[in-house]
Amino acid sequence: EVQLVESGGGLVQPGGSLRLSCAASGFNFSASWMTWVRQAPGEGLEWVANIKQDGSEKYYEDSVKGRFTISRDNAQNSLYLQMNSLRAEDTAVYYCARERGPASHFDYWGQGTLVTVSS
Amino acid sequence: DIQMTQSPSSVSASVGDRVTITCRASQVISRWLAWYQQKPGKAPNLLIYDASTLQSGVPSRFSGSGSGTDFTLTISSLQPEDFAIYYCQQANSFPLTFGGGTKVEIK
Repeated sequence: EVQLVESGGGLVQPGGSLRLSCAASGFNFSASWMTWVRQAPGEGLEWVANIKQDGSEKYYEDSVKGRFTISRDNAQNSLYLQMNSLRAEDTAVYYCARERGPASHFDYWGQGTLVTVSS
Repeated sequence: DIQMTQSPSSVSASVGDRVTITCRASQVISRWLAWYQQKPGKAPNLLIYDASTLQSGVPSRFSGSGSGTDFTLTISSLQPEDFAIYYCQQANSFPLTFGGGTKVEIK
């Protein structure tokens, strides 16, 4: 059974940092593109970033470029999102998902982790 | 960036009704479009990809069509478990973008 389990969310002050993790199981993680998608409270879905199987290619949504860094550890079947210089508008549920190739659809999703940026 | 526009933003329907949701891309995306269903407090669930390919395990009452800039998701006979929010997503180019969502409500 495919499982994606996010962790690391919480309350952080504006300007602060947070590192999200996503533990994967039930599929060949090292052969999969992986992505982060977020959803602000009561709002729609927004793609954040993705990463190639070997980590050699990474793409970011414009508003997080230079502040967020996506990475992975294939030995640990884990995906990460380092978030720095957090803003109120980064408040959202963050989902990790498996992406079926570069610029593709997302077939498996985690349950999400809530990040709240507030003083 | 490619803008994805869904319509309507909400629709009220009864069990057994046929429901159609449209998604328009701001530029040509061939057939690189996916549809997702999201229920309250849950992660999105992939329904259709490549405009018309049904994801494994998804009931056949869901279908997708279209190419270029105009796409449609159809639910042939609405079931109680189908009341949810539906999103389209373009898979043509970065940044990947979603439509604003269509809420399917009980009439």
